[in-house]
Amino acid sequence: QLHLQESGPGLVKPSETLSLTCTVSGGSISSSSYYWGWIRQPPGKGLEWIGSIYYSGTTYYNPSLKSRVTISVDTSKNQFSLNLSSVTAADTAVYFCARQPDDRAYYYMDVWGKGITATVSS
Amino acid sequence: SYELTQPPSVSVSPGQTARITCSGDALPKKYAYWYQQRSGQAPVLVIYEDTKRPSGIPERFSGSSSGTLATLTISGAQVEDEADYYCYSTDSSGHHRVFGGGTKLTVL
Repeated sequence: QLHLQESGPGLVKPSETLSLTCTVSGGSISSSSYYWGWIRQPPGKGLEWIGSIYYSGTTYYNPSLKSRVTISVDTSKNQFSLNLSSVTAADTAVYFCARQPDDRAYYYMDVWGKGITATVSS
Repeated sequence: SYELTQPPSVSVSPGQTARITCSGDALPKKYAYWYQQRSGQAPVLVIYEDTKRPSGIPERFSGSSSGTLATLTISGAQVEDEADYYCYSTDSSGHHRVFGGGTKLTVL
């Protein structure tokens, strides 16, 4: 059974870079059938897609965050990572990683990690 | 930027039918997906491609779409269905993937 687990520091200072990693178990991140994505949810608010990556390194980002986001993949560790630069309090959220079937259109999320809370504060 | 609009809240009594709508200009040509998020948990896919139900999702969950409106229907809602529900889709170009603002379903 596929399992995704987010990890990383729970507290980041303003203007610094938020770095999170998602470890995939029970399946290969190198599968040609899937993208792997990050989604976030500020406290009390809705879901926001951040971006996605294919095992080859191809990425797609939310245009509203594109200038600050980098997603990378490490197939040898079955992991993918999120870097969000120049963070502010508005980036405080629960960050989820998820698997996204490569349907060439919607890239919906069919398996999710439990999420990790990241707080931006000095 | 593209938006999907949902009502903030829907309330039903146990056993009644709950309907949650999602409005978007591209929905006549794009599928809608629906997620259930119970408090403190990760979202779970309950409907994909407008009407399809993933394995393990109860039959009382169904989806439909007509024009610019997609609808999630829970027939005979149960107390455990109380959660936030989000629709998801893309704009007409396929470049912008968005969630609706979410609907809080209360069953009591």
